[in-house]
Amino acid sequence: DAGITQSPRYKITETGRQVTLMCHQTWSHSYMFWYRQDLGHGLRLIYYSAAADITDKGEVPDGYVVSRSKTENFPLTLESATRSQTSVYFCASSEASSYNSPLHFGNGTRLTVT
Amino acid sequence: SQQGEEDPQALSIQEGENATMNCSYKTSINNLQWYRQNSGRGLVHLILIRSNEREKHSGRLRVTLDTSKKSSSLLITASRAADTASYFCATAPKGGYNKLIFGAGTRLAVHP
Repeated sequence: DAGITQSPRYKITETGRQVTLMCHQTWSHSYMFWYRQDLGHGLRLIYYSAAADITDKGEVPDGYVVSRSKTENFPLTLESATRSQTSVYFCASSEASSYNSPLHFGNGTRLTVT
Repeated sequence: SQQGEEDPQALSIQEGENATMNCSYKTSINNLQWYRQNSGRGLVHLILIRSNEREKHSGRLRVTLDTSKKSSSLLITASRAADTASYFCATAPKGGYNKLIFGAGTRLAVHP
């Protein structure tokens, strides 16, 4: 099915472990984004990518790493997970820049760091 | 800090009533967008209004934008129980380099 898929849907990990959240879109959208959603903060942008091999930091990038070797995939890695990274993570894509296009969101990954 | 802030934080109404949510922001924008989020799901885009537009409609949704007051409102007319969700405004700041910034949202409950 066309759309944007995130995996896993739920993840529990321990402090200090590396964890990768996956995001795959079938629209061939140029732009992809990672947001985290926490109570009281709304959604905050972690990283975004304007095209394959082009990534840039958002509002809260510390502790996260992204890559985009293929247009359709945009994985997010927590190199050494901390409890403060417990959150719901949303991947999104858009056809053009946010100046002109809406975002299409996945259903999120709920990450718990113990 | 958040660019957009929604008001009220929570709203409870009966089916058939209208629901109005407001959004204020701080800096000049290229556009403002409204999204809906059902519990446990991702956000769904509702309307995008550009900085040179004042009003936009989509079905039972009406969005207004007042750039002089740096504010927007989302009106849902004749609400239904299925409209129960959180609603977020998001701004694309001028010079923001694709950084769409979301507010904390308004939780709307529509009671049958």
